[in-house]
Amino acid sequence: GAVVSQHPSRVICKSGTSVKIECRSLDFQATTMFWYRQFPKQSLMLMATSNEGSKATYEQGVEKDKFLINHASLTLSTLTVTSAHPEDSSFYICSAVTGLISYNEQFFGPGTRLTVL
Amino acid sequence: AQSVTQPDIHITVSEGASLELRCNYSYGATPYLFWYVQSPGQGLQLLLKYFSGDTLVQGIKGFEAEFKRSQSSFNLRKPSVHWSDAAEYFCAVGNFSGNTPLVFGKGTRLSVIA
Repeated sequence: GAVVSQHPSRVICKSGTSVKIECRSLDFQATTMFWYRQFPKQSLMLMATSNEGSKATYEQGVEKDKFLINHASLTLSTLTVTSAHPEDSSFYICSAVTGLISYNEQFFGPGTRLTVL
Repeated sequence: AQSVTQPDIHITVSEGASLELRCNYSYGATPYLFWYVQSPGQGLQLLLKYFSGDTLVQGIKGFEAEFKRSQSSFNLRKPSVHWSDAAEYFCAVGNFSGNTPLVFGKGTRLSVIA
């Protein structure tokens, strides 16, 4: 149980285009999802917290108009990178919280590799 | 401030040798601690976690970790390393409330030589 999927797993796009990444909790409802970014050979850095039915909370330094997050249902959050540029190339990972009564635990998706040419 | 320190950026061990990866944390509340492994180009795989109880926790792939509150440490160990253990290892800390994100260390890259 507690499986999180991401789609696509890999995407290559031209500079200036927008890319949408989906994060789905397959067998549980997730009131909260987190979006992380990982640059090569670096750790995961939190970008934003996504709560179902409300606006996302962005970390300092993350442009909310560039990284649009929508958490429209309890099983789906989307991250849209608008007008992508080469510096946005990164590995994007989402995680979802099960919301169980005890031991809230995050489950991570497999990640999406974004390459902007 | 909440933080996780993994002092070793890169460790090389011989296959069959023992392994210890260090992790120290700074956390204002009761910490919930995790170790994840990431192979190149892949997502994160949970090795083990500590929430409460026995301070020595067993994980998958023969890994274990020991929580030492007095030292604010959660070191990962394996008695005999296999070549397939070569990967990046991340220590992370969170709290009971799942609507707060995990804080990750910078990771330790493990290389295994014959």
